[in-house]
Amino acid sequence: DGGITQSPKYLFRKEGQNVTLSCEQNLNHDAMYWYRQDPGQGLRLIYYSQIVNDFQKGDIAEGYSVSREKKESFPLTVTSAQKNPTAFYLCASSLGRSSYNEQFFGPGTRLTVL
Amino acid sequence: ELKVEQNPLFLSMQEGKNYTIYCNYSTTSDRLYWYRQDPGKSLESLFVLLSNGAVKQEGRLMASLDTKARLSTLHITAAVHDLSATYFCAVVSGYALNFGKGTSLLVTP
Repeated sequence: DGGITQSPKYLFRKEGQNVTLSCEQNLNHDAMYWYRQDPGQGLRLIYYSQIVNDFQKGDIAEGYSVSREKKESFPLTVTSAQKNPTAFYLCASSLGRSSYNEQFFGPGTRLTVL
Repeated sequence: ELKVEQNPLFLSMQEGKNYTIYCNYSTTSDRLYWYRQDPGKSLESLFVLLSNGAVKQEGRLMASLDTKARLSTLHITAAVHDLSATYFCAVVSGYALNFGKGTSLLVTP
């Protein structure tokens, strides 16, 4: 089955720790995205990547880092510099690099800071 | 900066009733998406509206786009409990999507 997988589903982080959220897709999509969702809010863009070895900051990139070493993988690291990381994180992908390609979403990772 | 506003943000309606959710956006765009999200779940694509005047229907939901007014509507006909969810509109901006805050819909007997 083609799709987007995210792991883990739930993640707990202690203050001062870095954690990495996994996102994998087997849709052969060029572009991948990371969004953050807070309760009662829409999604906000953290980072996106249109092609391997290239990525761009979104609206709320501070305290986050990404890599895109393989087409199918786009991991997100939440660093200790992110002051309020508790949120629901959604990864998405789209077919091409055009802004008009429909985005498909993974199941999400819920991160909680203890 | 593109702003996307949805209203209402919360909607409680009885089964069998009709209602419309509105999505306004601040700058020109000719592509708009509607998504559904169940509690604790990811986003499910409902509609992709590609041009001015586009209208799409799926079951009890119908979406339309007026790019001149920068307005999209999601109309619910004869609501049923299964439609209870949060509905988001999203507008293309640059290489990503700008989302509204969502409309939480609760359909009651």
